[in-house]
Amino acid sequence: TQLLEQSPQFLSIQEGENLTVYCNSSSVFSSLQWYRQEPGEGPVLLVTVVTGGEVKKLKRLTFQFGDARKDSSLHITAAQPGDTGLYLCAGDFAGYSTLTFGKGTMLLVSP
Amino acid sequence: KAGVTQTPRYLIKTRGQQVTLSCSPISGHRSVSWYQQTPGQGLQFLFEYFSETQRNKGNFPGRFSGRQFSNSRSEMNVSTLELGDSALYLCASSLGPKRSGGSNEQFFGPGTRLTVL
Repeated sequence: TQLLEQSPQFLSIQEGENLTVYCNSSSVFSSLQWYRQEPGEGPVLLVTVVTGGEVKKLKRLTFQFGDARKDSSLHITAAQPGDTGLYLCAGDFAGYSTLTFGKGTMLLVSP
Repeated sequence: KAGVTQTPRYLIKTRGQQVTLSCSPISGHRSVSWYQQTPGQGLQFLFEYFSETQRNKGNFPGRFSGRQFSNSRSEMNVSTLELGDSALYLCASSLGPKRSGGSNEQFFGPGTRLTVL
């Protein structure tokens, strides 16, 4: 079983602050996905990163894939209350046909 | 295009009962995966179906079962419910397995919140 760790587990910040959450594994990802889950709903796919060193931007969200494809980060600039939710990373490992999900980072952005 | 739908959204059962949950994937998606989500364990993979066949199964007891119909709709069943089965059950659809030209990008439904008393 592939292990995928996310940090921090919980983050509580004020509106306007910046933050970064991390996703790490000891194994190489074929690709990695980030999802956001709001209370009472299912996770929504934000982005997929495939190439080592890749950086993708989605408005105020910046996703980076490590050069060795063993880690990824999500950076949010000027967080807003609407960013509140559980951020999940999911790794696609070579030789495994199913995704492995991290336990998530719960983000709370207060006005 | 309509998203993944799951029914029912909420369910309350008692120990020993059984339950059936339903999932309709996005039109054109042929792969359906089921996950159990709890605060302590996070998202745990239950099983995946493609073309009416179970392709992968997670580490859950045999009380958890599922099936997929020819229209790609899927059901999962939990028999002899236990208190620990209380969770959010999520269904996700995708075009298909990687080897069949799909990807592992999952599109989730809103989930069924199961409470076992």
